[in-house]
Amino acid sequence: GAGVSQTPSNKVTEKGKYVELRCDPISGHTALYWYRQSLGQGPEFLIYFQGTGAADDSGLPNDRFFAVRPEGSVSTLKIQRTERGDSAVYLCASRSQGRETDTQYFGPGTRLTVL
Amino acid sequence: RKEVEQDPGPFNVPEGATVAFNCTYSNSASQSFFWYRQDCRKEPKLLMSVYSSGNEDGRFTAQLNRASQYISLLIRDSKLSDSATYLCVVTRSGGSYIPTFGRGTSLIVHP
Repeated sequence: GAGVSQTPSNKVTEKGKYVELRCDPISGHTALYWYRQSLGQGPEFLIYFQGTGAADDSGLPNDRFFAVRPEGSVSTLKIQRTERGDSAVYLCASRSQGRETDTQYFGPGTRLTVL
Repeated sequence: RKEVEQDPGPFNVPEGATVAFNCTYSNSASQSFFWYRQDCRKEPKLLMSVYSSGNEDGRFTAQLNRASQYISLLIRDSKLSDSATYLCVVTRSGGSYIPTFGRGTSLIVHP
């Protein structure tokens, strides 16, 4: 079956611009996670959705970052007034029900470059 | 101190070698532990879960030491295809099961 997909695969933007990154989880997966991965580092947790609601957004670095999942499937990560330090690979992952024993499946990521 | 620490390596080993990685975690209430594999410019993929009793999957053995707060991954008879970054993952306690990733250990297996 189809895995987690993310669009776009690459995004180049200018400092100060607004960007939206999209994640399509595996069909039926209720848990969805966003991570950010910088070069040479592991994925850093940003936000976790269980269904439509953000169950934990403690990883969002500041109020320029926001994410939604209005219908409990597709999610969009929104970054306002982008800064050069936001450049990273943004990874999305989904899990069947969010139990720790369920395998987390990652999408291929969106590589964001802020010039 | 970082919540999950790993030696970034790289570990450079010949084919057929046995190699071991350790990972330490700081939160004694951590609940679940995993090893993920990440190939260059690819997404992480689950390699194996780590159980208190230790577990084995073919050439891979994972162990957990709660008293010393570390987990290990042993790879026997290394293959060229094992070259990748191995990420240690610890799940935070408290109900949200938020995973914390280490920075990863790079393994290079050469002929």
